[in-house]
Amino acid sequence: DAMVIQNPRYQVTQFGKPVTLSCSQTLNHNVMYWYQQKSSQAPKLLFHYYDKDFNNEADTPDNFQSRRPNTSFCFLDIRSPGLGDAAMYLCATSGTPGGYTNEKLFFGSGTQLSVL
Amino acid sequence: AQTVTQSQPEMSVQEAETVTLSCTYDTSESDYYLFWYKQPPSRQMILVIRQEAYKQQNATENRFSVNFQKAAKSFSLKISDSQLGDAAMYFCAYENAGNMLTFGGGTRLMVKP
Repeated sequence: DAMVIQNPRYQVTQFGKPVTLSCSQTLNHNVMYWYQQKSSQAPKLLFHYYDKDFNNEADTPDNFQSRRPNTSFCFLDIRSPGLGDAAMYLCATSGTPGGYTNEKLFFGSGTQLSVL
Repeated sequence: AQTVTQSQPEMSVQEAETVTLSCTYDTSESDYYLFWYKQPPSRQMILVIRQEAYKQQNATENRFSVNFQKAAKSFSLKISDSQLGDAAMYFCAYENAGNMLTFGGGTRLMVKP
């Protein structure tokens, strides 16, 4: 059973056209993450949420925004995608309901973004 | 900030043989977790094995085991009886007390039949 679900699996957008990637989870985890992974590179953390507290990595471009309307859903908005934003975007969750523990991250299957 | 280094961009192993993937990390924290993740061509991140820093005993999961040397900040992965399905990118990762995961650059493992 899928626990961290990312849709769509593949997303194509045009240069400069806003795009939103979605992630949902059935684990009731309080922490959600967005990672960017370019070809043949390690995943790079963009931001994460502790519940509704948003935490941005220092080097995440302003072009990237995120929303978490409730525990189950988290969105990644790219306001003006550039060619350099083409990558795999991985969503992950961790934690136990109501608390923060050092638990493993559960990853979704990712959304591969292409920018034309 | 923590850093994780995987010095082997690519490794190759014969089916049924044993291979060891290297990982070193740098941290000033005493409490943390270390992971090995496998990423096949599907790009799904799959947890292979996990080690708590406060535990001296090396973690094992079936054919996968680690050699955790805390003083040396070394965390290698040993895969025994390698199978074709083990072929993938392997990422070593460090998790701090705040659940923040830092990945190494990855090692591509090829398994020869």
